[in-house]
Amino acid sequence: DADVTQTPRNRITKTGKRIMLECSQTKGHDRMYWYRQDPGLGLRLIYYSFDVKDINKGEISDGYSVSRQAQAKFSLSLESAIPNQTALYFCATSDLADGYTFGSGTRLTVV
Amino acid sequence: QKEVEQDPGPLSVPEGAIVSLNCTYSNSAFQYFMWYRQYSRKGPELLMYTYSSGNKEDGRFTAQVDKSSKYISLFIRDSQPSDSATYLCALGYSGAGSYQLTFGKGTKLSVIP
Repeated sequence: DADVTQTPRNRITKTGKRIMLECSQTKGHDRMYWYRQDPGLGLRLIYYSFDVKDINKGEISDGYSVSRQAQAKFSLSLESAIPNQTALYFCATSDLADGYTFGSGTRLTVV
Repeated sequence: QKEVEQDPGPLSVPEGAIVSLNCTYSNSAFQYFMWYRQYSRKGPELLMYTYSSGNKEDGRFTAQVDKSSKYISLFIRDSQPSDSATYLCALGYSGAGSYQLTFGKGTKLSVIP
């Protein structure tokens, strides 16, 4: 099994729909992150969590929410999806020794 | 000025060439310097990780950090088609219990057989 697992891998959804992206990890890391990646814009941080009780906004949190259900699980929700949220989404975990470990990504298309 | 600047390329080189990828940064507080490699449709994976100025080698890869010039480089010797990917620099610092990376936008590299 991968260290960081994201589901689904691909998703097409309609404008206005609520969608949840899920992430689970087996690294045992406390810190987890959600990024989106767009061509020419690189990785942009949406939310991060340093432990189950700690949730922080990143640089582009508007339109997104997160839930840290357990040390190993961190989900990202789009309450009402819009087309400019079409992107590649990555979950990552980290500790100081290992750096960041990324999942394989979720390719989300909002039509 | 952005905290981390990275030339987006694309960069195309023949097989066997030496490749130089670079990032500049403005925040002197950065303590950790990393390079990630991202293949198409995959997540970034850690390639090199260094804490200090100077060079660090791992096989065909050398990471170089010059803190005085706020400049980091990744050199790839004897480049192979399998090195074709996007390379992202990442810089970080820890403080007040936090640790977070700032990523460059990535340079897309193609190694032509």
